[in-house]
This record gives sequence, structure tokens and C-alpha cells, in this order.
Amino acid sequence: EPEVTQTPSHQVTQMGQEVILRCVPISNHLYFYWYRQILGQKVEFLVSFYNNEISEKSEIFDDQFSVERPDGSNFTLKIRSTKLEDSAMYFCASSVGRREDGYTFGSGTRLTVV
Amino acid sequence: ILNVEQSPQSLHVQEGDSTNFTCSFPSSNFYALHWYRWETAKSPEALFVMTLNGDEKKKGRISATLNTKEGYSYLYIKGSQPEDSATYLCATKGNSGYSTLTFGKGTMLLVSP
Repeated sequence: EPEVTQTPSHQVTQMGQEVILRCVPISNHLYFYWYRQILGQKVEFLVSFYNNEISEKSEIFDDQFSVERPDGSNFTLKIRSTKLEDSAMYFCASSVGRREDGYTFGSGTRLTVV
Repeated sequence: ILNVEQSPQSLHVQEGDSTNFTCSFPSSNFYALHWYRWETAKSPEALFVMTLNGDEKKKGRISATLNTKEGYSYLYIKGSQPEDSATYLCATKGNSGYSTLTFGKGTMLLVSP
């Protein structure tokens, strides 16, 4: 069964450093998403991406965050200058986009900012 | 922003028990409701996507119902097994397919042998 793959599975970074989280969505999916879960809290929406542009973003997704799909297969989330409060599990997901379809999630990247 | 609530927060049952969880959401502007099963160290796995009031869906021992008029969905597990231990997430989309999927906090289920 097709999978969404995320790398790395764990990343530890110093506050102020840039990190790039990578995702390979399912090849025939059209919509791509980033979510995150801070320990003990709800899964939160960050951004959705369709047709090579951001279709929606949350208040969390400020100027420190960016996404791109550089080569038609990878979908990356960049955090320019990490803060302690960015520590979370970051999930990538993709979907075909039909109303009756669920999302396929990757297994996540655990980001720890120290 | 939709407010999706799930109860209970956690549940501990014995093998063979049947159990159910609740997901409540604003009934206005409903588009779709998703249930996901999330095992530790794995990715959330889609169980059901429900779109119509009165929908009932079943996958093996797990089933779900949807009431969009009153804004709730139930997830049932019949004859729980230890491998059912996971966090069960509910999420809804409002307005249209372009809106975001908003998650509840999840119900953590532990099934003891």
C-alpha cells in the first residue's frame, strides 16, 4: 500500500537554527498538508498546498515557516529560525481531494529545539 | 475555526469488552467527518470518512455513526482486543472541501489482555 514517507524521524536543533523537514507524498495525490502536535495537545493544522501553491494556512504558519515542492515529489517544511515552542511532532499528509477520501499521514518527524 | 471535542479522554477496558467514544462538532457548515486510528510510533491511519447524516460505516469490529444535525459521531469497537490499543482521532471539515481538517484531542484506548 502506498505510504507517505517523512525524514528525518527525529531532529534535534539549537534555537535559532533553520530546519527542513522532508516528506514524499503519495504520487497521485494532489493535496498536501503539514500538521503538528505539541506533546499533550491537539493535532494542529499548519498549511495546505495544492497546484504548487499554498491554499490555506493557520495563524501558526507565520513568516518563519515556508513550504515548497521543489522537484514534483518532495514536499518540504522549512522553519527559518527555530524557537523552543516549535518542539513538536510534525506530520505530513496527502490526499486525492475527493470529499469521501481520508488523508494519508506520514509517521512524523519529532523536532526538539534546545 | 471548528471546535471538535472527543470523550472520554482515555479509556481502559478488558479484552472482550465493547466500547464506544464520542466526537462532537459544530453542526453548521458540516462537510465531512474523519476517524483515524493512531498507534504509538506509527502514522495516523484513516478508519472512516463520513459525509451524510445518518451514515453508518463498519470495518471489521469497528463501526461509526454520524448525526450532522446534532453534531456528533460515535465510534464503536465490539469485543476489544489488545491490538485495538491506540489513540482514536476524530476530525471534521466545514464549509467545503477547501477548508482545513480540524482535529479533536483524541481518545486513548488501552485494552488489557
